Amino acid sequence: DAGITQSPRHKVTETGTPVTLRCHQTENHRYMYWYRQDPGHGLRLIHYSYGVKDTDKGEVSDGYSVSRSKTEDFLLTLESATSSQTSVYFCAISDREQTYEQYFGPGTRLTVT
Amino acid sequence: KNQVEQSPQSLIILEGKNCTLQCNYTVSPFSNLRWYKQDTGRGPVSLTIMTFSENTKSNGRYTATLDADTKQSSLHITASQLSDSASYICVVRNYGNKLVFGAGTILRVKS
Repeated sequence: DAGITQSPRHKVTETGTPVTLRCHQTENHRYMYWYRQDPGHGLRLIHYSYGVKDTDKGEVSDGYSVSRSKTEDFLLTLESATSSQTSVYFCAISDREQTYEQYFGPGTRLTVT
Repeated sequence: KNQVEQSPQSLIILEGKNCTLQCNYTVSPFSNLRWYKQDTGRGPVSLTIMTFSENTKSNGRYTATLDADTKQSSLHITASQLSDSASYICVVRNYGNKLVFGAGTILRVKS
């Protein structure tokens, strides 16, 4: 998985609780992305980062926030989890902007009850 | 609207047989198209990338074709193996730097 780890790999949480997912890379790539994957849908971009402290919204950003204080770490936070946020979350990295090759992490399965 | 449609949704074949997966897109203006393989519980891994001028590209037993006129691509798998069981995802990029992902085709290879 190209030097990308995600933690936790599995999480079950209750509606209304905050949740933070972590993506860690050892490739020193500039660009990092968070996607969600749901049955019947393609991967959908939540947020991405083009450098330390530089982030932008994707197509499904409502209810999510991100932070990147170091090149190697990109955090995704659900401030108040809802059942509609039950999904598999993938982090990806790229050494160029998202139009170029992206390398994906192993994913985090999040269940909101 | 930029869309990527894949067919079939799922497919079961016997080990050793060939199969072809389809991808139709309406993404415009087209820049390139990628096929990814996603094993269960893993992230997607790139198989091939094709630009407007490329009609065919191979990666071992995987051969991708592209018809930019009809906006169709196919992924042909030759002499399938049990390890080919996975989801195959078609991703199209436009010149607005947007990536559009298909929902994937789930392939199961049986012995």
